[in-house]
Amino acid sequence: RKEVEQDPGPFNVPEGATVAFNCTYSNSASQSFFWYRQDCRKEPKLLMSVYSSGNEDGRFTAQLNRASQYISLLIRDSKLSDSATYLCVVNPWWGDSSYKLIFGSGTRLLVRP
Amino acid sequence: GAVVSQHPSRVICKSGTSVKIECRSLDFQATTMFWYRQFPKKSLMLMATSNEGSKATYEQGVEKDKFLINHASLTLSTLTVTSAHPEDSSFYICSARNWDSASPQHFGDGTRLSIL
Repeated sequence: RKEVEQDPGPFNVPEGATVAFNCTYSNSASQSFFWYRQDCRKEPKLLMSVYSSGNEDGRFTAQLNRASQYISLLIRDSKLSDSATYLCVVNPWWGDSSYKLIFGSGTRLLVRP
Repeated sequence: GAVVSQHPSRVICKSGTSVKIECRSLDFQATTMFWYRQFPKKSLMLMATSNEGSKATYEQGVEKDKFLINHASLTLSTLTVTSAHPEDSSFYICSARNWDSASPQHFGDGTRLSIL
């Protein structure tokens, strides 16, 4: 089983749509969770951290369910510029000074006019 | 915000050549740097973690003699792919973070390596 699993997509949605991505992780001791965005042939960029109580940043809402080891990202009012690959990222170790990140393989989003 | 610069952005060279990639933190002291590799349509795979002034810690399956990492200062880490072969062709990305355990990793803009 992969440490971080995501539906690869692609999700093809019209502008203005609401779309949700899911991610599961295998290590129940994982402590930190993130969503990154990666454009084609570019480096990943941090979109948002994911907190236990859930958090929102503009049109983006992230949720964490520790019991189910499940993370989600909701994008409202999709824009053309949201087209990218969204990476679910987990830091699986508590107190690990190296602060390793484990990346999912990404979910591709295509927003059409 | 924090900036990490990676150089070169693109390398094309013959099989058997050694290639050095630099990763610099421009406005913060990077106590830890990470090197990743990403094949097309695949996830980023951590290759190694390096702390300034000490030997890198390599992930399982990554040959330390093949991928030489040096992190001699708080702002610079280098990855040297020795005697590169076509199967080493990939997108190599570095990231860096400072001493604060709560600080995120900041990624360089990657190096696309093509071995002919």
